[in-house]
Amino acid sequence: SQQGEEDPQALSIQEGENATMNCSYKTSINNLQWYRQNSGRGLVHLILIRSNEREKHSGRLRVTLDTSKKSSSLLITASRAADTASYFCATDPMDSSYKLIFGSGTRLLVRP
Amino acid sequence: SAVISQKPSRDICQRGTSLTIQCQVDSQVTMMFWYRQQPGQSLTLIATANQGSEATYESGFVIDKFPISRPNLTFSTLTVSNMSPEDSSIYLCSAGQGDNGQETQYFGPGTRLLVL
Repeated sequence: SQQGEEDPQALSIQEGENATMNCSYKTSINNLQWYRQNSGRGLVHLILIRSNEREKHSGRLRVTLDTSKKSSSLLITASRAADTASYFCATDPMDSSYKLIFGSGTRLLVRP
Repeated sequence: SAVISQKPSRDICQRGTSLTIQCQVDSQVTMMFWYRQQPGQSLTLIATANQGSEATYESGFVIDKFPISRPNLTFSTLTVSNMSPEDSSIYLCSAGQGDNGQETQYFGPGTRLLVL
């Protein structure tokens, strides 16, 4: 069963704008990972944030984690048309053996 | 990061047949997993591929339908047996790397399967 729920399900923005996607989960976790998927292809790993971290940056990506609210957000700044993709959060629950539980995903469209 | 390849990249199969998907990692990894992504959906874990022993299956998935092998630390196969149109999905393998229990999982490009 899916642990994570993401919102919005779909997001359409203009190139240059920022995009924010949110992820909520249900149980305690070791870490949370964000992935990008282009047109039903393989997943590209974007960033991993550990349960004891609150914020992490990688280039134009900023991820936050609030374990008290069991939620995370992914911010993409200065978006580009090439950022058009589906974005998934995935959690590594504390009671599992590194198994990832994926959220429902957000479909991002960046209009040129 | 681990580089993962899968074969075949796509296939069209007839109902009742079986397909074996191969997953190759460019380095030895601790953990390997198989996921299914049905059309327009998120990923669902099928099983953990254990090196040298039987795979560990998630609820709703059984060995007779999805036999898995992992003969070494860099290679695994997933067979989709006695296929039906409901098995049409993307099948992805992943490999976990990391220290101190903080495993980053890298994914292969996926195998797109269509069952007629």
